[in-house]
Amino acid sequence: ETGVTQTPRHLVMGMTNKKSLKCEQHLGHNAMYWYKQSAKKPLELMFVYNFKEQTENNSVPSRFSPECPNSSHLFLHLHTLQPEDSALYLCASSQDERARSYEQYFGPGTRLTVT
Amino acid sequence: GEDVEQSLFLSVREGDSSVINCTYTDSSSTYLYWYKQEPGAGLQLLTYIFSNMDMKQDQRLTVLLNKKDKHLSLRIADTQTGDSAIYFCAESIMDSSYKLIFGSGTRLLVRP
Repeated sequence: ETGVTQTPRHLVMGMTNKKSLKCEQHLGHNAMYWYKQSAKKPLELMFVYNFKEQTENNSVPSRFSPECPNSSHLFLHLHTLQPEDSALYLCASSQDERARSYEQYFGPGTRLTVT
Repeated sequence: GEDVEQSLFLSVREGDSSVINCTYTDSSSTYLYWYKQEPGAGLQLLTYIFSNMDMKQDQRLTVLLNKKDKHLSLRIADTQTGDSAIYFCAESIMDSSYKLIFGSGTRLLVRP
């Protein structure tokens, strides 16, 4: 049990669908992250939230829309995705964005397939 | 620029030692990390080393850091089949947000 949960674990969606990914952390952390993991590519940071405020948007297309209603929950809203968006989407949390050791704890990921 | 590189694949026999290597480019790195990812799972932090250290040992894991050459290695002693996974090297950059830069990962296969 990592303390960071993600739902759903697997998602297949068409390009015209709208869906949301959910992440929840039970570690009392204040920073949360979305990463994209594609085959044979380094892990790509997408968004960072610190104390519910977005502090980083790594040039992510607007078809990905994050939401952080509180420090424990993070969502990624998806609409009009492309097949190249198929990937494993990982959520992570850390004590805060500037935590000295910067230990991030990862969820198991959502495997997204866009058809 | 920020770049972390790792070899893609390593195969070892059970009981042998494994050494996974990583090079990074940013000299302002504060911490360097090793994460493990098992199939179908997220990344698990294995160990980390502060940039002013040369070595850190934690049970079967030994991390060596050569700051001059910007080279990091992870040695796993007495490698077991359960160690088969993808290992990611990562560095934290001391800029405004302490973000992590990951390598592409090294797939370790342990043969019985």
